[in-house]
Amino acid sequence: AQRVTQPEKLLSVFKGAPVELKCNYSYSGSPELFWYVQYSRQRLQLLLRHISRESIKGFTADLNKGETSFHLKKPFAQEEDSAMYYCALSRMDSSYKLIFGSGTRLLVRP
Amino acid sequence: GAGVSQSPSNKVTEKGKDVELRCDPISGHTALYWYRQSLGQGLEFLIYFQGNSAPDKSGLPSDRFSAERTGGSVSTLTIQRTQQEDSAVYLCASSPQGSYGYTFGSGTRLTVV
Repeated sequence: AQRVTQPEKLLSVFKGAPVELKCNYSYSGSPELFWYVQYSRQRLQLLLRHISRESIKGFTADLNKGETSFHLKKPFAQEEDSAMYYCALSRMDSSYKLIFGSGTRLLVRP
Repeated sequence: GAGVSQSPSNKVTEKGKDVELRCDPISGHTALYWYRQSLGQGLEFLIYFQGNSAPDKSGLPSDRFSAERTGGSVSTLTIQRTQQEDSAVYLCASSPQGSYGYTFGSGTRLTVV
């Protein structure tokens, strides 16, 4: 069965510190992985997807198939990065259905 | 519309009553998804509609839950005989065919008392 695990419910860092939000997945095939973000009082929105290999708002994520991980990283956290972050996996079938982790709340302190 | 619209934004209902939650997707988006977001849990997939194909109902937690999508547009999620464990935020998302480009609605917060 496919599963996405985000082991940290809350991650608190100071402004300017590096950030790593952990995501591990279980899936026997080749998944596609995503990070979604939900800022306070805003809708859930796509942050980045691994296939794009892009950096959005300074965040990057690398798919490590050996460790089945897709951790989200940013070298210098900003206060506006405070939000709820969800890792998600797709089976790359025709449904485009996403399986989400339980989320990590990132709090960036001044 | 400009975005995915969900109504009502908040719903408080008594245990045992039926509720209907509505989702109005972005015009032209053929795929529509319902998810449930419970406190401390992730987003739990409920049901998926794609065009005229049979819906994927594999995530519905019990037969008290059902959903329909009329005319390939508006969708209604119905929960019969609500229970306290049904309390959650119900999110709807739509996307163009063959795309992971989900656009989420703002959700309906359901509280069963």
